Amino acid sequence: AQSVTQPDIHITVSEGASLELRCNYSYGATPYLFWYVQSPGQGLQLLLKYFSGDTLVQGIKGFEAEFKRSQSSFNLRKPSVHWSDAAEYFCAVDGGSQGNLIFGKGTKLSVKP
Amino acid sequence: DVKVTQSSRYLVKRTGEKVFLECVQDMDHENMFWYRQDPGLGLRLIYFSYDVKMKEKGDIPEGYSVSREKKERFSLILESASTNQTSMYLCASRYRDYEQYFGPGTRLTVT
Repeated sequence: AQSVTQPDIHITVSEGASLELRCNYSYGATPYLFWYVQSPGQGLQLLLKYFSGDTLVQGIKGFEAEFKRSQSSFNLRKPSVHWSDAAEYFCAVDGGSQGNLIFGKGTKLSVKP
Repeated sequence: DVKVTQSSRYLVKRTGEKVFLECVQDMDHENMFWYRQDPGLGLRLIYFSYDVKMKEKGDIPEGYSVSREKKERFSLILESASTNQTSMYLCASRYRDYEQYFGPGTRLTVT
């Protein structure tokens, strides 16, 4: 069965520092992969997605992610974090023919001034 | 611009009440989903629908039912609310194999 693991429950970084959030997936075929962000009390907003092609994908708000098939990973990165990036981040994989997404448990990002 | 709306942001209900959560999308998407979100558990799929009057159980359907009479509207029903159904409920819609779009969520408290 498909699954997504986000090993870090909570990460704290200083404003201006770089960020990498980890995501590992389990999926038999070429996956469709997504990163979503959720601000407190809000719904989920799509940051970026990978369907095929270039393994480095660019998203909104200066985020990027790299698909590495050999490592079954799809890590999210940002070169310089802003205080407004404090939120919870979810990695997801397409669950298949039913159209649902399988989500990781999320990584909460805190940003120190 | 893509839009998914949910009828309430916050809802407080009593144990045993029948509760309706409404979700409307304006994108003509075939697929719609209901998730619940709990701290430490992430998002879990309750039900989804791939067409009008069609529905499929997700991972945690117990205690819930759904209704989809029109393509744009997908309702989640708690037949008899219980305290363990206190949670954040998120609705989403999706066109074929593309990304899901989420509503703002309904935070339900059952007392």
